[in-house]
Amino acid sequence: DAKTTQPNSMESNEEEPVHLPCNHSTISGTDYIHWYRQLPSQGPEYVIHGLTSNVNNRMASLAIAEDRKSSTLILHRATLRDAAVYYCILRDWGGAQKLVFGQGTRLTINP
Amino acid sequence: EAQVTQNPRYLITVTGKKLTVTCSQNMNHEYMSWYRQDPGLGLRQIYYSMNVEVTDKGDVPEGYKVSRKEKRNFPLILESPSPNQTSLYFCASSLSPQGGSEQYFGPGTRLTVT
Repeated sequence: DAKTTQPNSMESNEEEPVHLPCNHSTISGTDYIHWYRQLPSQGPEYVIHGLTSNVNNRMASLAIAEDRKSSTLILHRATLRDAAVYYCILRDWGGAQKLVFGQGTRLTINP
Repeated sequence: EAQVTQNPRYLITVTGKKLTVTCSQNMNHEYMSWYRQDPGLGLRQIYYSMNVEVTDKGDVPEGYKVSRKEKRNFPLILESPSPNQTSLYFCASSLSPQGGSEQYFGPGTRLTVT
């Protein structure tokens, strides 16, 4: 499985945008980029995914570099409820049957 | 409400006493899987199932069994639990196993084996 690299931790302030980076230099052409987050004492939660183009949904935006070797998860206006561990994961189109979770980025939101 | 449910949420048991953790989804998903989460090791896949009667090993299958007799249920069986199986367990499901399909996770089962 192609690997991803994320900062161990980040900190931001409430109501400010947050940009969470992810490097995936060995990504293959058929790998989707998925983001999940895990709030304290909960199961992982799907956030967003994309293949080549930038994606938006009600939770976040995903900006994918043109060469696809990096991506950024954007929380447009962070709230205290966004404090979680965020995981960037690659998943092969053909059906990588598992999600390979790295250590993720622990996001702290200051009031 | 679309969801993945697990039972029990918490379980303390003794070495060697067989146990089953149930997992059920109400979204008609084909793909289901089990993960365990341990400090410093992250989430690791135990077993997965592509559809009814189709199961396969993940990264850490030793000491576990699964079955998929119905589409909605995917129980995790520990025939003879040992202390190294003390962990937080998550069940997940997705519409398909393909890369563009998001996974939905259950709330977790915290298992302690003494």
